[in-house]
Amino acid sequence: NAGVTQTPKFRVLKTGQSMTLLCAQDMNHEYMYWYRQDPGMGLRLIHYSVGEGTTAKGEVPDGYNVSRLKKQNFLLGLESAAPSQTSVYFCASSGVPGQGQAFFGQGTRLTVV
Amino acid sequence: RKEVEQDPGPFNVPEGATVAFNCTYSNSASQSFFWYRQDCRKEPKLLMSVYSSGNEDGRFTAQLNRASQYISLLIRDSKLSDSATYLCVVYTGGFKTIFGAGTRLFVKA
Repeated sequence: NAGVTQTPKFRVLKTGQSMTLLCAQDMNHEYMYWYRQDPGMGLRLIHYSVGEGTTAKGEVPDGYNVSRLKKQNFLLGLESAAPSQTSVYFCASSGVPGQGQAFFGQGTRLTVV
Repeated sequence: RKEVEQDPGPFNVPEGATVAFNCTYSNSASQSFFWYRQDCRKEPKLLMSVYSSGNEDGRFTAQLNRASQYISLLIRDSKLSDSATYLCVVYTGGFKTIFGAGTRLFVKA
């Protein structure tokens, strides 16, 4: 089972460049999330989606945009990358929040120089 | 104050030791609690949910103390393969799930 798949796994961007991170899940989950993980900090929610065609802001949404055109896919965009966006990004999906586990992708290590 | 706080460690223990981690949370209305495990440079994976009455899964025991607002994880008979970062996770309602920064565990032969 693939579960949650993220691409790419690694990326180096120059300041001001744009990119899109792709997330796909095959578990038919309604809920999908994008997190960032920085040293010494817990996972912080960037954006989330409660179903196809819906998105909402999380704790740290500035500088990011998302889209959920299909139920199985959740895209995270950086329009103009900044060094502060250097981080490890995780996509996750789940059933009803708080009632079971969230399944995470393998992560994307992004460096902005 | 962070909403979920964990001792970052690292905890260095020999094989066979018993080790315990604590985690405190600030929102008294928090609804559900979990421990996740994260191996180096990997994604977090659910280790176990934490129930009010306490629960056990093999060598792992989780406890919840709502009055004092803390969660604990006890690992008995530590194995080398237990070396990882353990994340305390608290669901506070709606879409708010708070991840602690994690406690690092190194188990040595």
